[in-house]
Amino acid sequence: DQQVKQNSPSLSVQEGRISILNCDYTNSMFDYFLWYKKYPAEGPTFLISISSIKDKNEDGRFTVFLNKSAKHLSLHIVPSQPGDSAVYFCAARKDGGSQGNLIFGKGTKLSVKP
Amino acid sequence: NAGVTQTPKFRVLKTGQSMTLLCAQDMNHEYMYWYRQDPGMGLRLIHYSVGEGTTAKGEVPDGYNVSRLKKQNFLLGLESAAPSQTSVYFCASSYSGWRESHEQFFGPGTRLTVL
Repeated sequence: DQQVKQNSPSLSVQEGRISILNCDYTNSMFDYFLWYKKYPAEGPTFLISISSIKDKNEDGRFTVFLNKSAKHLSLHIVPSQPGDSAVYFCAARKDGGSQGNLIFGKGTKLSVKP
Repeated sequence: NAGVTQTPKFRVLKTGQSMTLLCAQDMNHEYMYWYRQDPGMGLRLIHYSVGEGTTAKGEVPDGYNVSRLKKQNFLLGLESAAPSQTSVYFCASSYSGWRESHEQFFGPGTRLTVL
């Protein structure tokens, strides 16, 4: 049973426009949500996170929105740049941090066209 | 700081062979993790450790063993490799979960092919 779902395997956006990556989850016990970015042949790198007690977190061009009632979060990238082209993973943490374990979605491949 | 490093970067094994993947971190993190990434499957947790001398099973532990004899190192072993273990393996580390900084830091990965 997939607890973290990224239903769009890929997304293509024009440079300068907004990219919106979506993530749905099923477990209401998740207390933190994170987004990771991964380039080919590299390890994932942390991008931004949000606590379950907040509904928005912003860091530069990146904003994450959390809708707890819908069990849905989204990552907005504005404006999108060609260097943002990568696979984006949504992840969720449970266990209150006692183990730090993350549950990852399958990822969405973002392509930003010049 | 090197962060999280993994050895080797690539490896080809024959079915039945054994090998050990080494992960090292220099950030004094308490927690360490081993994941595998397969096409269309995202990252799946194999084993993890919440401190030196401790290990625990993750989502897909079968066929793997781990050891954490030193805080900075986390070893992943394949006793008898199978083609189903062909994958990219990532090691990660993090501070203990109770700290505010909870993100995991990943190594560059090891690409393993089992023939």
